[in-house]
Amino acid sequence: DAGITQSPRHKVTETGTPVTLRCHQTENHRYMYWYRQDPGHGLRLIHYSYGVKDTDKGEVSDGYSVSRSKTEDFLLTLESATSSQTSVYFCAISGIGFGNQPQHFGDGTRLSIL
Amino acid sequence: GQQVMQIPQYQHVQEGEDFTTYCNSSTTLSNIQWYKQRPGGHPVFLIQLVKSGEVKKQKRLTFQFGEAKKNSSLHITATQTTDVGTYFCVDSRGSQGNLIFGKGTKLSVKP
Repeated sequence: DAGITQSPRHKVTETGTPVTLRCHQTENHRYMYWYRQDPGHGLRLIHYSYGVKDTDKGEVSDGYSVSRSKTEDFLLTLESATSSQTSVYFCAISGIGFGNQPQHFGDGTRLSIL
Repeated sequence: GQQVMQIPQYQHVQEGEDFTTYCNSSTTLSNIQWYKQRPGGHPVFLIQLVKSGEVKKQKRLTFQFGEAKKNSSLHITATQTTDVGTYFCVDSRGSQGNLIFGKGTKLSVKP
């Protein structure tokens, strides 16, 4: 498997608290992505990054922000968590964007907002 | 917007039976990828199809890309319990370089 580490793996927190999820890669890939997976929806893109400090919004970006200060780290922040953000979050990486190369996924973070 | 429709949503088979999942797009696909996700796991890339009418095999798995590049299928011959999981077809031509996932077919195999 590609060198992708997500942390934490599990988190339970309360509505209104800030939450930061981390994705760390050792592959030196340019592209990094955050997805959320919910029953009946498959995986949906939240934000993505195409280089250090270069990020853009995905399909379901409301309520989320991201930062990428180093090639290897991509952070996803929920500024004020809501119950609708309870989900499984996956980070993915690829060397090339625009769909001509497979994406490799981390093991996921299971986040519960009470 | 871009979307891929996948059927069936669920499939229960007896071990040794064959299994097929179908993927359809309303638009012509540049290419299509297939991923497998085991229960509790993360999506894992299986294959990418690029050419019209392309057929690729991986052991008991056969992947096809339609002539019009609007549909694809995954066929598993003689399923095993290790085949359990959700199979996703993915439009890899998302506008941001992301993947547009179908909702997947969840396969269960009864020993």
